[in-house]
Amino acid sequence: EADIYQTPRYLVIGTGKKITLECSQTMGHDKMYWYQQDPGMELHLIHYSYGVNSTEKGDLSSESTVSRIRTEHFPLTLESARPSHTSQYLCASSDDRTSGSNQPQHFGDGTRLSIL
Amino acid sequence: LAKTTQPISMDSYEGQEVNITCSHNNIATNDYITWYQQFPSQGPRFIIQGYKTKVTNEVASLFIPADRKSSTLSLPRVSLSDTAVYYCLVDVNTGFQKLVFGTGTRLLVSP
Repeated sequence: EADIYQTPRYLVIGTGKKITLECSQTMGHDKMYWYQQDPGMELHLIHYSYGVNSTEKGDLSSESTVSRIRTEHFPLTLESARPSHTSQYLCASSDDRTSGSNQPQHFGDGTRLSIL
Repeated sequence: LAKTTQPISMDSYEGQEVNITCSHNNIATNDYITWYQQFPSQGPRFIIQGYKTKVTNEVASLFIPADRKSSTLSLPRVSLSDTAVYYCLVDVNTGFQKLVFGTGTRLLVSP
């Protein structure tokens, strides 16, 4: 099993609060990703990182921000939560390989976020 | 990025072989085909990846014809625990995966 952890698993919080979703992996992977998934819908990439001090926005626009100060840690922050941010947030990581087949992404079990 | 098309849902019974076909008509020369499985309230889990012909691992087989415009995930002798959503993806081999997930195929395995 992949060693990637997300906390909290569930979070219900009021509008306007600052939220940080944690994601940690113990595999030493350089590449990390955040996806957003609504129930029964597809995953959308919102942020990714090549490594420490590298962050990029994904294909789906998001008001969240990310940071990558340490290899193993890739937290996602919402400065002021709104009901439209209600969704499931999934973190993933993959090995750094630039040739041959792409290494699979290892996913955490996600954080289900509900903003009241 | 190549777009993939797969059936929205499939039904099967325990012990049967299930084949899920995915079309990717505009797959590029360097693209790989990857399948993931997702259970409710969990993140996707990698199943299998291939470039051409046939790939087999301990849980599934992946068949890719010569033109690579489609692929078929084969699950032998499914069980109830194989009920999940299965995603077919094409990843561009540029050294960085930028996966595009579609809506996947919801497989329901009944007793």
